[in-house]
Amino acid sequence: AQSVTQLDSQVPVFEEAPVELRCNYSSSVSVYLFWYVQYPNQGLQLLLKYLSGSTLVKGINGFEAEFNKSQTSFHLRKPSVHISDTAEYFCAVSEGSYGGSQGNLIFGKGTKLSVKP
Amino acid sequence: DSGVTQTPKHLITATGQRVTLRCSPRSGDLSVYWYQQSLDQGLQFLIQYYNGEERAKGNILERFSAQQFPDLHSELNLSSLELGDSALYFCASSVAEGGLPDTQYFGPGTRLTVL
Repeated sequence: AQSVTQLDSQVPVFEEAPVELRCNYSSSVSVYLFWYVQYPNQGLQLLLKYLSGSTLVKGINGFEAEFNKSQTSFHLRKPSVHISDTAEYFCAVSEGSYGGSQGNLIFGKGTKLSVKP
Repeated sequence: DSGVTQTPKHLITATGQRVTLRCSPRSGDLSVYWYQQSLDQGLQFLIQYYNGEERAKGNILERFSAQQFPDLHSELNLSSLELGDSALYFCASSVAEGGLPDTQYFGPGTRLTVL
C-alpha cells in the first residue's frame, strides 16, 4: 500500500530564510506526487505536482520540489519565505494511473510552516 | 476560490443524529471526492464518484454514505454520529474519471462538531 511520511510536523523559520519541507513516500507502483497548501480556515490548494519528466518541479508562489526516486523523496523548497507562506503543507501520492478510473490521494500528516518576522 | 462549494460551513449536532453535507463541483467537473480531516487521523480519502457512479472507496464507515446526483452535486450522509466523527469534511472535484494527470480542486470544507 502507498504511504506518505512528512518528517517534520512543525517548521519555524524567519522571514526571507530558505525552507525545506521533507516528504518521503512508499509505493510499489508508478508514483505521482503532489504538494498542497492549506491556509488557516481554508481548503487545500495545489502547489505543484510530479507526474513524469523532469524531476525538478516548479509550482506556484515560488515553491519547487525535487523527485528523487532512489531516496523515495519529494522535498518541497523555497529559497526565501514570506510571512504569507505561514500555512500547513501536505504531501500526497495518488493511487491513480494514466487513463485510470481512480485518482484518490493519500496524504501525509502535514507540516505546519510558521514564518516569523 | 477553487470553484468548489460546500454547505454548510459549520454544523453542530448531537451524538446519534444524522447530517447531510453538500458539495457542488466546479463547472464541467464530473468527479467528486470526499475526504475527512481530523486531528488524530489526518486527511483521509472516503469515497469518489464519477458522473453519478461510485468509483473508489477508502476508509469510509458503514454509517456514512454518499451519492452524486444527475446535476453532479454530491451529498455525504453521516448517521448515528459519534464524538469521533467530529472533523473537517472536504469535497474535491476533477474533470475526468480520476486518471492522471487530472488535478483535484478542493472546497473550503464543512466543519462538523458532534457534542
